[in-house]
Amino acid sequence: GQNIDQPTEMTATEGAIVQINCTYQTSGFNGLFWYQQHAGEAPTFLSYNVLDGLEEKGRFSSFLSRSKGYSYLLLKELQMKDSASYLCAVSSNTGFQKLVFGTGTRLLVSP
Amino acid sequence: GAGVSQSPSNKVTEKGKDVELRCDPISGHTALYWYRQRLGQGLEFLIYFQGNSAPDKSGLPSDRFSAERTGESVSTLTIQRTQQEDSAVYLCASSRGGNQETQYFGPGTRLLVL
Repeated sequence: GQNIDQPTEMTATEGAIVQINCTYQTSGFNGLFWYQQHAGEAPTFLSYNVLDGLEEKGRFSSFLSRSKGYSYLLLKELQMKDSASYLCAVSSNTGFQKLVFGTGTRLLVSP
Repeated sequence: GAGVSQSPSNKVTEKGKDVELRCDPISGHTALYWYRQRLGQGLEFLIYFQGNSAPDKSGLPSDRFSAERTGESVSTLTIQRTQQEDSAVYLCASSRGGNQETQYFGPGTRLLVL
C-alpha cells in the first residue's frame, strides 16, 4: 500500500528553527516533494528530492534518505508568514508523476 | 493570467444534482491533474491527462465522477448525482509533463453538497 506519515501539528517561535519529518512507504519511488499550503489557498512548491542528501534553498532545506523512507523539511529563521500546512508528497510512479500526499503538518509560528 | 485558474471558486449544491468544475492550466503545460482534498485530509489523486494520450482515471472514486480535457487546454470535472461525501476542495494542477516536473496548483473549487 501507499502510506505517508507526518505530524499533524507543530508550533514554534518566530526566529527559531523547525524540522518537519515525513516517512513514507510506497510501491515505487520517483522523488519526494514538499509543498506549502496557506489556509484557503493552493499548495505551492517548495522543494524536490530524488537523491539522498540535503537540498538547501534559502531559509528552507529538505533532506531525503531513500533507504530509510524518510525526509524532513527544515525551516530556519521562522517568520509569522511561515504559519501554514506543509505537505509531503511522493511520486510513486515512473509512468507519470502520480503524487501520493500525506495529510500535511500544520505549523503555527508565534511571536 | 500566468497561473492555473479554476472556476467556480465556491459551489453549493443539493444532494442529487450534477456539478461541473473547470480548470484552465498554465499555457504550454501538457500534463493536467485533478485532486480532491477533504477537510483535514491529504490530497487524493483523481485523474491525470497528458497530451492526447488516454487519461489515467485510476483515482476516480466512483462512476459518478468523470473528466474531460480538450487537447492541452481546459479540463472539466463532472460529478453526477452528488452526495454529501463529495463535499471537498477540488484542486487542479498542471505541469510540463514528465515525472520529475513540478506540479503547479490552482486555487481550487470548494464544493459543499447539502
